[in-house]
Amino acid sequence: DTAVSQTPKYLVTQMGNDKSIKCEQNLGHDTMYWYKQDSKKFLKIMFSYNNKELIINETVPNRFSPKSPDKAHLNLHINSLELGDSAVYFCASSPGRGYTFGSGTRLTVV
Amino acid sequence: RKEVEQDPGPFNVPEGATVAFNCTYSNSASQSFFWYRQDCRKEPKLLMSVYSSGNEDGRFTAQLNRASQYISLLIRDSKLSDSATYLCVVTGYSGGGADGLTFGKGTHLIIQP
Repeated sequence: DTAVSQTPKYLVTQMGNDKSIKCEQNLGHDTMYWYKQDSKKFLKIMFSYNNKELIINETVPNRFSPKSPDKAHLNLHINSLELGDSAVYFCASSPGRGYTFGSGTRLTVV
Repeated sequence: RKEVEQDPGPFNVPEGATVAFNCTYSNSASQSFFWYRQDCRKEPKLLMSVYSSGNEDGRFTAQLNRASQYISLLIRDSKLSDSATYLCVVTGYSGGGADGLTFGKGTHLIIQP
């Protein structure tokens, strides 16, 4: 069983579209995260949710909206996609120390 | 000043050699320290936690120097499969469990046969 699963694995879409990436963890962790890895391979935190409550919201355009329907799910919705949004987005979860990452969603905006 | 700084490399090292990386971090309030490994087009995976007392896991040894805000990783008897990007990671500025990870940009290691 995959511990942290993201869908889709690849996403190619046109500028201006709205898209969502889903993440689910079956580890029973309280905290989930979204990270972005850009073309220069730099990984940076975007959001953190603890038991469905937003904890960290880094400087991210408000076109990005995380949603956590329950503590096992943290989805990322992106409105009005831009070329600069192209990156790999990683979901992660943690019980408090130690993090498990999903396999990533490679988003390409054309 | 970057929060976590690493030499990006690449480090080209012959198989069987010993290789050492290090990184520095800027926030003295950092609580936890890790080395992660990331293979090409894969997710980061925890390699080992880092403690002031130093810790070893097989061929890998990690060390933390809080006074100098410096973290090191030593790989002995390197294998071809060690080729990857090694990410220095700190967390816990506030000590809370929900703190995210702050990554360095990674050091690219290539083990050559």
